[in-house]
Order: sequence, then C-alpha cells, then structure tokens
Amino acid sequence: AQRVTQPEKLLSVFKGAPVELKCNYSYSGSPELFWYVQYSRQRLQLLLRHISRESIKGFTADLNKGETSFHLKKPFAQEEDSAMYYCALSGHGYNKLIFGAGTRLAVHP
Amino acid sequence: ETGVTQTPRHLVMGMTNKKSLKCEQHLGHNAMYWYKQSAKKPLELMFVYNFKEQTENNSVPSRFSPECPNSSHLFLHLHTLQPEDSALYLCASSQALAGGSTDTQYFGPGTRLTVL
Repeated sequence: AQRVTQPEKLLSVFKGAPVELKCNYSYSGSPELFWYVQYSRQRLQLLLRHISRESIKGFTADLNKGETSFHLKKPFAQEEDSAMYYCALSGHGYNKLIFGAGTRLAVHP
Repeated sequence: ETGVTQTPRHLVMGMTNKKSLKCEQHLGHNAMYWYKQSAKKPLELMFVYNFKEQTENNSVPSRFSPECPNSSHLFLHLHTLQPEDSALYLCASSQALAGGSTDTQYFGPGTRLTVL
C-alpha cells in the first residue's frame, strides 16, 4: 500500500538553527516525492520535488530509496519558514498524490 | 482571476440540503482533483479527472457526486451529508502527462464546509 509518514506533528526551532522535517514512504515501485507548503492564510503550494533536485528558499530534500525517506532540510531556519509542510508521494506516471499528515514548523525569534 | 478559484469559500448546510461546490482553473490544465482536509486526517484524495473523464474515485460515499463539464470546471455536488463530512474541500489542477512524471498540482483556497 502507498503511504507517507511524517512522524512529527510540530517542530519548533529558533531562528538560525538547522531544520530537518522527516518523511518516510511506502511504495513498491519508483516513487515521485514532493514537498508542499502552506503558509498562514495562503493556499497549499509546491515547495520542491525530488526529480528537480533544486534548492528552494534554502530547502533541499534527497530521496533515499534504501531508507525510503525524503527528509526536508534547511541549514539555517528563518521566521518566514514557519508553515505547515506536507510530504507527498505519487506513483510514476500516475496523476494522484498521497499526502502525509503534515508537520507544522514554528521558527521562533 | 488567475490560478485555481473555488466558490463558495464557506458553506453551512443541513443534513437534508443539496448544495454544490465549484472549482475553476485558469491555467490551461487538463487534470482536476478534489481533496478533503479535516482536522483528524491527512489530506485525502477524493476524485481525479483527466481530460474530463473520471479516473479515480477513492472510495468516496455516493452522497458526494463530482461533475466535470470541461477541463476548466469541476463541481462537487453534495446531498444528505453527515456532520462528519464537515471539512475543508480543496480543488487542484495540473497537466496530465502521458506515461511520464507527475506534474505539479496547483491548489485552490478551499471551501470550508460545515454540516449541521
């Protein structure tokens, strides 16, 4: 079965501290992984996807097939990073996303 | 207006009412989606439409009835709902890519539904 697990409901850090939002997945084929973000009073939007191998707003995520993980990392958190972050999985070639429960990141001054 | 729009933004209905949620995308996409977001569960995919054809029904109760008259519009018709159906209903759209990668989904702001 396809499943995405985000073990932390809330991650609270101070400004300038490193951040790692965990995501583990269960999928038997070749997955495509995404991170979506929802800032306060804004709509859900794509942050990054593993096939792009980009760094967006200082965030990176590496797909680790051995550990079935796609953790989101940023070396120095900023207050404006405070938001709800969702990890999502899609089977290759399928137009549907399976979302994790989300992790709320709170960055304190 | 650009992007994905949803109306109404808020809806309160009784269990015997019939109402409809509307979604419109201005991005030229050919795939549209309905998701349910409730406090107790992760974001749940409900329906997928590719080129106006329904390609996914994620075991959604029949009291939810989707309609996709064209690639730009998606409706969710509601009837005889239950209080546990109260949630935020999100619409999204994307390009449907044949046999390739899953394209980015663009979300609307959602309709906050309360069933009394």
